[in-house]
Amino acid sequence: IMLTQSPATLSVTPGESISLSCRASQSISTNLHWYQQKPNESPRVLIKYASQSISGIPSRFSGSGSGTDFTLNINRVEPEDFSVYYCQQSNSWPFTFGSGTKLEIK
Amino acid sequence: QVQLEESGPGLMQPSETLSLTCTVSGFSLTSNGVGWVRQPLGKGLVWMGTIWAGGSTNYNSAVQSRLSISRDTSKSQVFLKMNSLQPEDTGTYYCARHQAGSGYFDYWGQGVMVTVSS
Repeated sequence: IMLTQSPATLSVTPGESISLSCRASQSISTNLHWYQQKPNESPRVLIKYASQSISGIPSRFSGSGSGTDFTLNINRVEPEDFSVYYCQQSNSWPFTFGSGTKLEIK
Repeated sequence: QVQLEESGPGLMQPSETLSLTCTVSGFSLTSNGVGWVRQPLGKGLVWMGTIWAGGSTNYNSAVQSRLSISRDTSKSQVFLKMNSLQPEDTGTYYCARHQAGSGYFDYWGQGVMVTVSS
């Protein structure tokens, strides 16, 4: 299953609210997870199963979608949010990641 | 607390076999699966394979013929072995824990950089 993330790069000003897209090549129900990776750090999970929150993750991060179209929303981007975001599906083997969206400061 | 730590050689030659170890603490390998994820320098994440709590494994078909994942539960260690290394196998290798019964990774190691070069 291929995951296509868009845009590849998004330039925003802190305080803006944004949406990142992840589209699957076939239906994956809600078996879609979002990760954040900062430079020189390991990824960390932000959202599990499309829309379920993760303990310790700020409430400004939220997810939605099912089937083939998914969205990660960040309400009022903070300076520490500028990093790369990946989606990952666990609906079928092999598990796959999207190619990532880089969120950069405008 | 939950921790994962990768170890292994940093430099390999083409055609050699890579052996990496992931030493875990704070949980049992019989309760959670552990996967390996590779990240070429400056590129995205690639899931390579997982050994599940029950001991079964799943592999990415792109490397399945060269890859083996095993574990020693008594030592809380998971092993990755990949043969016939090529320069394109260069990258950071992460081990990560699956949340129990789930397909996503809730804890990650810090990663180990492996360079394949003659």
